[in-house]
Amino acid sequence: GAGVSQSPSNKVTEKGKDVELRCDPISGHTALYWYRQSLGQGLEFLIYFQGNSAPDKSGLPSDRFSAERTGGSVSTLTIQRTQQEDSAVYLCASSLGSYTDTQYFGPGTRLTVL
Amino acid sequence: SQQGEEDPQALSIQEGENATMNCSYKTSINNLQWYRQNSGRGLVHLILIRSNEREKHSGRLRVTLDTSKKSSSLLITASRAADTASYFCATDQKGGANNLFFGTGTRLTVIP
Repeated sequence: GAGVSQSPSNKVTEKGKDVELRCDPISGHTALYWYRQSLGQGLEFLIYFQGNSAPDKSGLPSDRFSAERTGGSVSTLTIQRTQQEDSAVYLCASSLGSYTDTQYFGPGTRLTVL
Repeated sequence: SQQGEEDPQALSIQEGENATMNCSYKTSINNLQWYRQNSGRGLVHLILIRSNEREKHSGRLRVTLDTSKKSSSLLITASRAADTASYFCATDQKGGANNLFFGTGTRLTVIP
């Protein structure tokens, strides 16, 4: 079936604006993750959704960042009042079970804050 | 931090040669995974090795895990130009946070 998809693939915004990034996980995957990757760096964990449990938000860098997962499927990562340091590639992944299972990644959204 | 560290940061080899990348981590784990990333976009899972395993093979990939040294290695044999990518190890934390910790990656360049 289809893999993880993300939209938009690229987003350029002005400092102070809000942005929404979307992730469609693989159908049937109960776990969904958001990561951030700055240029030339490793992945920084942001948030983890597992089924109907409360999400693990421990990686969100500030209260400007929030995420929702509606109906256990699609997820939206929202960044309010964007700053230049928010510029990065935002990657979404899903897995069949828990975070220890193989994670399948989307192509990412490249966010540029001017 | 649980974050793994890959070594070397960058590796350049000729096609046909073997490439070895290492990963070190800090605390006890349940398993360790290796991922590959092309062009700064999505990662692709390569192989998972559990803490009670010492070696695992998948095609041209060979992964070893030494839990006493908290280290793992990824060997790619008979490299191809198409293997050019960044390679990341990812670990979970036994009894700890509910997420994987990714290292900073090794950038492999295979010269045709």
